[in-house]
Amino acid sequence: SQKIEQNSEALNIQEGKTATLTCNYTNYSPAYLQWYRQDPGRGPVFLLLIRENEKEKRKERLKVTFDTTLKQSLFHITASQPADSATYLCALERGSTLGRLYFGRGTQLTVWP
Amino acid sequence: DTGVSQNPRHKITKRGQNVTFRCDPISEHNRLYWYRQTLGQGPEFLTYFQNEAQLEKSRLLSDRFSAERPKGSFSTLEIQRTEQGDSAMYLCASTLKDGNTEAFFGQGTRLTVV
Repeated sequence: SQKIEQNSEALNIQEGKTATLTCNYTNYSPAYLQWYRQDPGRGPVFLLLIRENEKEKRKERLKVTFDTTLKQSLFHITASQPADSATYLCALERGSTLGRLYFGRGTQLTVWP
Repeated sequence: DTGVSQNPRHKITKRGQNVTFRCDPISEHNRLYWYRQTLGQGPEFLTYFQNEAQLEKSRLLSDRFSAERPKGSFSTLEIQRTEQGDSAMYLCASTLKDGNTEAFFGQGTRLTVV
C-alpha cells in the first residue's frame, strides 16, 4: 500500500538549534515534493517545492533535500525560533495526477526558548 | 485579492441535516481543490476542478457529497444527510498552474455534526 510517513508526531527543540523533519514514502514515484506549514485552526501554507531531479533546495533558513533512492525528504530549519512552532506537512505530487497532493500526517514542532 | 476565502469558518449541524460550504479561490487560478482533514491527520483529497469541469473525485466522496464550480470561479461543497463521521475541517485550495506549483489554501470550514 502507499504510505507517507513523517517522523514522530512531535519534535521539541531549543531555540537556535536546527530542526530536522523527515518524510519517508513507499509505493509512490513523486514528480515533486512539497512542504507546508500549518498552524492550529488554519489552512496549510506553502513553504518549498522540490523536483525529483533536484537534490536540495534552500529558502532563507529552510532547506529541503530529496533522495528518490531512499524515498525520503529531509526538511531543515536552521537557527530555529519559537515562531517556527507549528505542524509541518510533507506532500507528494505524482506525475500522473499533477496538482493533486498526497499528504503525510505532519510533524508538530515546538521550539522552546 | 487577499487569497482563498472559505465560508463559513465554523458550522455545527445536527445529524441528518444538509450543509453547504463555499470557496472563493484566487481570481486568476483555474484549478480548485477540496480536501478534508481530521484531527491529527494530513489533508485528504476529495475532488478538483479545472475551471468549471470537475475532473476527479476521490472514493472518499460518497454519494452524499457533491461539489460544483458553476462559472469556473467560486465552488460549493454540499453534504447531504450529514453523519457524525463527516465532522472534519474542509479545506479548499487553488493553484495557478496544473501542477508543479504551490497550492494556496483557505482557512477551512470546521464542520461538527452532533
